[in-house]
Amino acid sequence: AQSVTQPDIHITVSEGASLELRCNYSYGATPYLFWYVQSPGQGLQLLLKYFSGDTLVQGIKGFEAEFKRSQSSFNLRKPSVHWSDAAEYFCAVGNNNDMRFGAGTRLTVKP
Amino acid sequence: EAGVAQSPRYKIIEKRQSVAFWCNPISGHATLYWYQQILGQGPKLLIQFQNNGVVDDSQLPKDRFSAERLKGVDSTLKIQPAKLEDSAVYLCASSLARVTYEQYFGPGTRLTVT
Repeated sequence: AQSVTQPDIHITVSEGASLELRCNYSYGATPYLFWYVQSPGQGLQLLLKYFSGDTLVQGIKGFEAEFKRSQSSFNLRKPSVHWSDAAEYFCAVGNNNDMRFGAGTRLTVKP
Repeated sequence: EAGVAQSPRYKIIEKRQSVAFWCNPISGHATLYWYQQILGQGPKLLIQFQNNGVVDDSQLPKDRFSAERLKGVDSTLKIQPAKLEDSAVYLCASSLARVTYEQYFGPGTRLTVT
């Protein structure tokens, strides 16, 4: 069965600092991987996705993620965090009929 | 382009009462999803429609939850009777087709069952 683990429940970074959010998955075939962001009171917004090809994926808002098959990971990164990036971040793995989300990582940005 | 619309945004009911949520997907999107997001957890898929047919409802508690998508556009999710553990945010999402995997989410309905 497919599953997603986000090891960090809550992360705090200073504005301007770099960010890495971890995501590990379990899946029997080639996974389709996603990162979503959820601001308070809002729905989820797709940041980026990986289907195949280049393992470094660029997304919106300056985010990128790297697929590492050997580590079953799909970590999200941003070189310089802005205060507006404070939100909940969800990693997901999916196929035609099933999308599984991680429990999320809440990002706090310090001034 | 208008996004996915959901109503109401908030609902408070007592246990054993019934409640219904409405979703209007992005125009032209054939696939519609309902998710349940319990506080502190990621969204869990309840049901998926392709046009007006059900593709997957394996995680829908069918003894109390029901959903329909008449005419392949709007959808309604109903809970009857509600339990305390149904307190959650109910998210609706839509995608152009199942194979695109790009799901667009509405703002959700926050349900509190007391």
